[in-house]
Amino acid sequence: EAGVAQSPRYKIIEKRQSVAFWCNPISGHATLYWYQQILGQGPKLLIQFQNNGVVDDSQLPKDRFSAERLKGVDSTLKIQPAKLEDSAVYLCASSLGTGSAGELFFGEGSRLTVL
Amino acid sequence: AQTVTQSQPEMSVQEAETVTLSCTYDTSESDYYLFWYKQPPSRQMILVIRQEAYKQQNATENRFSVNFQKAAKSFSLKISDSQLGDAAMYFCAYLRGNKLVFGAGTILRVKS
Repeated sequence: EAGVAQSPRYKIIEKRQSVAFWCNPISGHATLYWYQQILGQGPKLLIQFQNNGVVDDSQLPKDRFSAERLKGVDSTLKIQPAKLEDSAVYLCASSLGTGSAGELFFGEGSRLTVL
Repeated sequence: AQTVTQSQPEMSVQEAETVTLSCTYDTSESDYYLFWYKQPPSRQMILVIRQEAYKQQNATENRFSVNFQKAAKSFSLKISDSQLGDAAMYFCAYLRGNKLVFGAGTILRVKS
């Protein structure tokens, strides 16, 4: 079974530039998550989708971050304009359903460095 | 708001020995799930073990077991017969409804 795919694996940009990350979840998984993991910290949920609807985006900095999940499958996370403090690993995860007993499957992450 | 605390930033264990990673959490709920996730260097995070709060019996998965103390809000992970492949960052996590909250993690180093 194919896992959660993310790209790019690494991205270096200058502050005020924009960047986009892509995620393809495991086939059949209805729920998709984007987490931000700053070095030395645990992952923090940015946004959670159930199919193509948003379940929780309370911690998404909406002035610069946006995310969409068209057709309830792939998702993109965009940052525009980027700030230094956005340097982190962006993890995408998927699960069969909302609150499916915590069985999240993670991708390898996209490491963003903002200079 | 729920919080998860891992008080050990880093732990070391000799190969074949046993190590325990600590986790405490704060919640007013009685029905929830707790997890330990493993994140090897430059690899994706995977689920190690899961505990349902309404179950008194501690979960076990091969060499991994937990000590769940609901009243004390404590959820430690014991790794027996440690192997080099166990070296990773370990995250404790709490789930209530659809929100999964992670602790800051503990780096586990395994010495040969």
